[in-house]
Amino acid sequence: AQKITQTQPGMFVQEKEAVTLDCTYDTSDQSYGLFWYKQPSSGEMIFLIYQGSYDEQNATEGRYSLNFQKARKSANLVISASQLGDSAMYFCAILSARQLTFGSGTQLTVLP
Amino acid sequence: GAVVSQHPSWVICKSGTSVKIECRSLDFQATTMFWYRQFPKQSLMLMATSNEGSKATYEQGVEKDKFLINHASLTLSTLTVTSAHPEDSSFYICSARPGTSFQETQYFGPGTRLLVL
Repeated sequence: AQKITQTQPGMFVQEKEAVTLDCTYDTSDQSYGLFWYKQPSSGEMIFLIYQGSYDEQNATEGRYSLNFQKARKSANLVISASQLGDSAMYFCAILSARQLTFGSGTQLTVLP
Repeated sequence: GAVVSQHPSWVICKSGTSVKIECRSLDFQATTMFWYRQFPKQSLMLMATSNEGSKATYEQGVEKDKFLINHASLTLSTLTVTSAHPEDSSFYICSARPGTSFQETQYFGPGTRLLVL
């Protein structure tokens, strides 16, 4: 079974600053994928970034980067230059053989 | 990018009625679609995996006779909540996977809010 742990139920960050959202995972699979999704108050799940277990380099997508530390089983999301529109719920998820398993989420609030 | 739509976006119904939710992949074909349920301030929980042309695979604890899934084409999956009750009120989200590899990114629909009175 797969498990995702997000230990920060809520985070605050000042506009234009960087923020790191923590995510640790547990899986016995050798091959897996790690995802981050953003869910604004509208409810839609927006794909942000993906890291494969065999990818040696950390994934980056614009202002989003994934700090992947395989030995520690962590996949933290770093958002640089936070914007007010970044305020949302952020979910980390692990994809292995059959399904996507989500963490409990972190509510990020960007302060003006 | 890959776009997934859901219809309706929200629905209010009386207890005992059935509600059908549609999930469509608009610009790609999806052999596999997924149905999730999310209660307020909680994470998404996978209900079932919908495979085109075959029976859906339900997660443990999900009643297949209550949550009917039909994946009739490569772009459409439907979830029917039969004889809905107030405890079925929730946010239902579908996702679709463009490729056949399990590591393909899933793209989510905007969700359907169901309120059963």
